[in-house]
Amino acid sequence: QVRLVGSGGGVVQPGRSLRLSCLASGFTFSSYGMHWVRQAPGKGLEWVAFISENPNKKHYADSVQGRFAISRDNSRNTLYLQMNSLGAEDTAMFFCVKDSSRMEPNFFDSWAQGTLVTVSS
Amino acid sequence: SYVLTQPPSLSLAPGETATITCGHDKIESRSVQWYQQRPGQAPVPVIYYDSDRPSGTPERFSGSNSGNTATLTISRVEAGDEADYYCQVWDYSRHHVFFGEGTKLTVL
Repeated sequence: QVRLVGSGGGVVQPGRSLRLSCLASGFTFSSYGMHWVRQAPGKGLEWVAFISENPNKKHYADSVQGRFAISRDNSRNTLYLQMNSLGAEDTAMFFCVKDSSRMEPNFFDSWAQGTLVTVSS
Repeated sequence: SYVLTQPPSLSLAPGETATITCGHDKIESRSVQWYQQRPGQAPVPVIYYDSDRPSGTPERFSGSNSGNTATLTISRVEAGDEADYYCQVWDYSRHHVFFGEGTKLTVL
């Protein structure tokens, strides 16, 4: 079955960078679009970014545009999120999510357990 | 900004019917998905394409989408249905995914 395991979270100082990873298994990773979704403590879900099966299409939420970069390595079945210029408002649980389609967002059919990012001095 | 309006909370007794709405102008022109998030867990999909159920979702869960409101209906609610529920759409014109504000369902 589909398995998504996120890693790379932790405590980081404001203004610094962090890279999240998500290792996928149980499906043909190179055939599906992928997302990052985050959830601040006690708050709702916020979509962060999407990348298509081949990395030609990338979409970002306005709140992270220009600071975050989504990427993937299909040979390693791994999704990444490079986060730069982090601020307190980026403190959240980050979920790696598989989409049901290849090229554009459709629906989020499998979710990882999440990796926690805390931005604090 | 693009806001999908949901009631913040809903409290029901076991056996009652939960109706959770998701409002936005002309939402019927979008495909709406619904996710269930139990405390401390990752979300799971319960409805996609307005009214389809993923395998594993009980038949008690149903969805509809008309006019300015999409609706998730849970019949004969059980204690295990207690969770936060979020609607979600893809706005292709803005290349953005949007989630609703979330509804906390409490089963008394």
